[in-house]
Amino acid sequence: AQKVTQAQTEISVVEKEDVTLDCVYETRDTTYYLFWYKQPPSGELVFLIRRNSFDEQNEISGRYSWNFQKSTSSFNFTITASQVVDSAVYFCALSDTGRRALTFGSGTRLQVQP
Amino acid sequence: GAGVSQSPSNKVTEKGKDVELRCDPISGHTALYWYRQSLGQGLEFLIYFQGNSAPDKSGLPSDRFSAERTGGSVSTLTIQRTQQEDSAVYLCASSYPESYANTGELFFGEGSRLTVL
Repeated sequence: AQKVTQAQTEISVVEKEDVTLDCVYETRDTTYYLFWYKQPPSGELVFLIRRNSFDEQNEISGRYSWNFQKSTSSFNFTITASQVVDSAVYFCALSDTGRRALTFGSGTRLQVQP
Repeated sequence: GAGVSQSPSNKVTEKGKDVELRCDPISGHTALYWYRQSLGQGLEFLIYFQGNSAPDKSGLPSDRFSAERTGGSVSTLTIQRTQQEDSAVYLCASSYPESYANTGELFFGEGSRLTVL
């Protein structure tokens, strides 16, 4: 069975601080995908990234970066110089490469104070 | 519209009644998904359509839940004899297979909030 754990329920930071959202996963599959989605107050989930289990290279996109470590089954997400617009709930998710269904973590609510 | 459209946005019903939730995916997106977001269970997969077929409906919680898709476009999620534990936000997502293969991106709607009294 697959499982995604986001131990941080809520994080509050002040604008311009860096913040890291943790994600730990469990799967018996040898090939799988990892995802991050953002859910702003409007409710729709917004795709941020997908990572293949074969690719452990870190990814950077603007202020966002992701650190994938298979050895610790973690896929952490860092926002550099946070902004108020980053306030949202962030979900980490997992799927095996043979299925379309995503297994989501419970989410981390990020509040960025001005 | 350009995005995934869901209706109604809010639905309040009495226990035991049937409800229908509708999803209109992005034009041209052949894959469609239903997820449920509730306080107790988080975000759960319900069903996946490719065209009008549902190759994965493993997430439907009971036989009171059913979904169909017609014309490879609009989908309806039906909950019969609603129970209070069905209260949740029902999210629909769609994707285009080729772009999904490349990026893995799903496009979500804003959801239908169901409250069962």
